[in-house]
Amino acid sequence: AQTVTQSQPEMSVQEAETVTLSCTYDTSESDYYLFWYKQPPSRQMILVIRQEAYKQQNATENRFSVNFQKAAKSFSLKISDSQLGDAAMYFCAYRSAGNNNDMRFGAGTRLTVKP
Amino acid sequence: GAGVSQSPRYKVAKRGQDVALRCDPISGHVSLFWYQQALGQGPEFLTYFQNEAQLDKSGLPSDRFFAERPEGSVSTLKIQRTQQEDSAVYLCASSLVLFGGGASYEQYFGPGTRLTVT
Repeated sequence: AQTVTQSQPEMSVQEAETVTLSCTYDTSESDYYLFWYKQPPSRQMILVIRQEAYKQQNATENRFSVNFQKAAKSFSLKISDSQLGDAAMYFCAYRSAGNNNDMRFGAGTRLTVKP
Repeated sequence: GAGVSQSPRYKVAKRGQDVALRCDPISGHVSLFWYQQALGQGPEFLTYFQNEAQLDKSGLPSDRFFAERPEGSVSTLKIQRTQQEDSAVYLCASSLVLFGGGASYEQYFGPGTRLTVT
């Protein structure tokens, strides 16, 4: 079974600085998708960024980028120019490209942004 | 509305009561998913539907949990004889298609229902 591990329960960053959230996963599959979701106190899960495992190029969405290391099964999220609105829980998630369509989530990292 | 909606947002039940949680997916979305999120944890998969067919219910923790989507749109998650360990946030998500590349596989989440069993 696939597992997703987020080893940082909490992280803190100064406004305008850069922070990196870590995620590792375990799988025997070769084709899959990886995601980072943001969950603010309102509980609405918002997709931040996605990565297809067959793509070597790291995904980028404005201030958010990933460092995808397939061999190491690592998928870290970098947030540049952090803003107060980035404060939230961040979840790393794995989804198989096969018939199992459910997503497996890590335990989350709580990000605090200091003004 | 444009997004996934869930009701009620909060539910308090006494141990042993039955509860029903509702999910309205985005119009036209084929797939619908239910997740359980315990306090301080990530969501865990419960079950999913493709239209009205329940294709996977392997994540349902016990036979007290039952989900349905009779007309392929609105879904209800029912928990019978609630226990304290059922206290959690229940998230619903929908996606346009089950398989496929691009944005079609993105799951859109609702705000969740926080269930507290006393």
